[in-house]
Amino acid sequence: GAGVSQSPSNKVTEKGKDVELRCDPISGHTALYWYRQRLGQGLEFLIYFQGNSAPDKSGLPSDRFSAERTGESVSTLTIQRTQQEDSAVYLCASSSDRDRSPLHFGNGTRLTVT
Amino acid sequence: SQQGEEDPQALSIQEGENATMNCSYKTSINNLQWYRQNSGRGLVHLILIRSNEREKHSGRLRVTLDTSKKSSSLLITASRAADTASYFCATSTHGNNRLAFGKGNQVVVIP
Repeated sequence: GAGVSQSPSNKVTEKGKDVELRCDPISGHTALYWYRQRLGQGLEFLIYFQGNSAPDKSGLPSDRFSAERTGESVSTLTIQRTQQEDSAVYLCASSSDRDRSPLHFGNGTRLTVT
Repeated sequence: SQQGEEDPQALSIQEGENATMNCSYKTSINNLQWYRQNSGRGLVHLILIRSNEREKHSGRLRVTLDTSKKSSSLLITASRAADTASYFCATSTHGNNRLAFGKGNQVVVIP
């Protein structure tokens, strides 16, 4: 079946602009995660959804970052007033339950802020 | 704090050799998972080992877990050029929904 899909795959934006990143998880997966990966680095946790609720948003780096999920499906990560340090690959993952079962990742959105 | 620190950071081996990488963590875990990431792609789950397990096999992969030392190792036997990738360990802790990832090991298998 279809895996996790993220769009766009690449986004170049000017400093100060807002961007929206989209994630379509695997159908039926109740848990959804956003991670950030800077070049050559590990993954930095941003936010976790269980259904449409976000019980853990403690990884969001500032109030310029927000995320929502609707219909227990699609999630959108929004970054307002982008800064150069926001440049990274943003990865979305979903899993079938809340027991930290294996995550299924999308290919990510590479964000470049100029 | 970030759990999971792989060691060594980069490994270059000849095809057919075995590759071993290690991961250490700081707190009690529920399970530990290993993922692979090819360049420009997302992570792919390889294997999960629970805190009450000591060793697990999957094909050419062997994972060990030593909870007394808070460490894990991933062994890839008879490596192939297609195994060239970055490998990450990730820990799941009780009462926490996130997986904490390490910085990754870059493995290059030379044909």
